[in-house]
Amino acid sequence: AQSVTQLGSHVSVSEGALVLLRCNYSSSVPPYLFWYVQYPNQGLQLLLKYTTGATLVKGINGFEAEFKKSETSFHLTKPSAHMSDAAEYFCAVSVRPGGSYIPTFGRGTSLIVHP
Amino acid sequence: NAGVTQTPKFQVLKTGQSMTLQCAQDMNHEYMSWYRQDPGMGLRLIHYSVGAGITDQGEVPNGYNVSRSTTEDFPLRLLSAAPSQTSVYFCASSYRQGQNTEAFFGQGTRLTVV
Repeated sequence: AQSVTQLGSHVSVSEGALVLLRCNYSSSVPPYLFWYVQYPNQGLQLLLKYTTGATLVKGINGFEAEFKKSETSFHLTKPSAHMSDAAEYFCAVSVRPGGSYIPTFGRGTSLIVHP
Repeated sequence: NAGVTQTPKFQVLKTGQSMTLQCAQDMNHEYMSWYRQDPGMGLRLIHYSVGAGITDQGEVPNGYNVSRSTTEDFPLRLLSAAPSQTSVYFCASSYRQGQNTEAFFGQGTRLTVV
């Protein structure tokens, strides 16, 4: 079975500061990993994904994440927060061949950006 | 491109009523799924389908039924609504192409059971 743990239900940063949202996964087979963003009263939008190849993945809006197999982590970072980054962020995992490709989500982290 | 379309966007039900949440995708994706989103709980998988005629239960299937007669449609039926089913429901479709995969989400249905 696969699972995702997001550390911290809320993260608060100042505008211009580093954003770090933590995600650890559990999977018995090599995983696909995703970060999604949800703005208020909207659906989920893909930020970035790791499927294979380079472990440092760049996404939209200046976000990036690094797949670290030894640490079973896929933390999301952005060098400089913007007010428009305030949203709910979800880490998700789905498994490679043998699995259903249906993602399992973490509980989410709410990013608060202060002026 | 329509993507994943959910209807209705909002619904209020009385306890014991039944209803169907509609989900349609126009991307010819194999996989479709239903999630519910509750505060502090993230998205929890209700049911999913890996192709037309094939469905399976997720983490929280009780009180819900699904069917998948076509690739495009994946309706979610609430058999006898309960206040505990008050939630925001999201439908998703996903694909696998080689080593690539991604899920696309509808805009959600906000359901209140009174």
